[in-house]
Amino acid sequence: LAKTTQPISMDSYEGQEVNITCSHNNIATNDYITWYQQFPSQGPRFIIQGYKTKVTNEVASLFIPADRKSSTLSLPRVSLSDTAVYYCLVGYSSASKIIFGSGTRLSIRP
Amino acid sequence: GAGVSQSPSNKVTEKGKDVELRCDPISGHTALYWYRQSLGQGLEFLIYFQGNSAPDKSGLPSDRFSAERTGGSVSTLTIQRTQQEDSAVYLCASSYPEGEQFFGPGTRLTVL
Repeated sequence: LAKTTQPISMDSYEGQEVNITCSHNNIATNDYITWYQQFPSQGPRFIIQGYKTKVTNEVASLFIPADRKSSTLSLPRVSLSDTAVYYCLVGYSSASKIIFGSGTRLSIRP
Repeated sequence: GAGVSQSPSNKVTEKGKDVELRCDPISGHTALYWYRQSLGQGLEFLIYFQGNSAPDKSGLPSDRFSAERTGGSVSTLTIQRTQQEDSAVYLCASSYPEGEQFFGPGTRLTVL
């Protein structure tokens, strides 16, 4: 199972772009990279998923270099409501075991 | 449609008692997952169901933990002889095969 490494915490300010990088050196050929967001007292919520290069949706962008050993979640123009824990997952969606890791606690200040 | 629901939302029990936690997945989702999250920690995978079968039970922390799923829908997680270290939020998620996981609100278990 691919293990992920993320910064424990990050701070930023409203209106800034935030980039959270995740390392996954042991990623397998079939593995996808998925990011989830979790607010206090709630279950995680899917943000974005990718396999290679760049993926963009209405919430975020995901950048994956050619070697796929890392990925970067980019949140454009963050607001206070983006304060949450962000988890990077690597695996096959229907795999029997999903490792969430400790996540990155993002704090946005006015 | 309705999301994943879990019951009870909160459960306080005494050490040594058995508890049963319930998860109602989104209709049509064949995959169902149970996780445990201690205060301020990440999610710990417990078990995964595809339909009614659980290919991998190795995430269950001890033989006091068991889970079943009937009719490809509702799942129950049972903890026997609860211990204080079992106190945590228990989260359930469901998905289509290869799809994103949708999480329920969780059950907060407190063992006194």
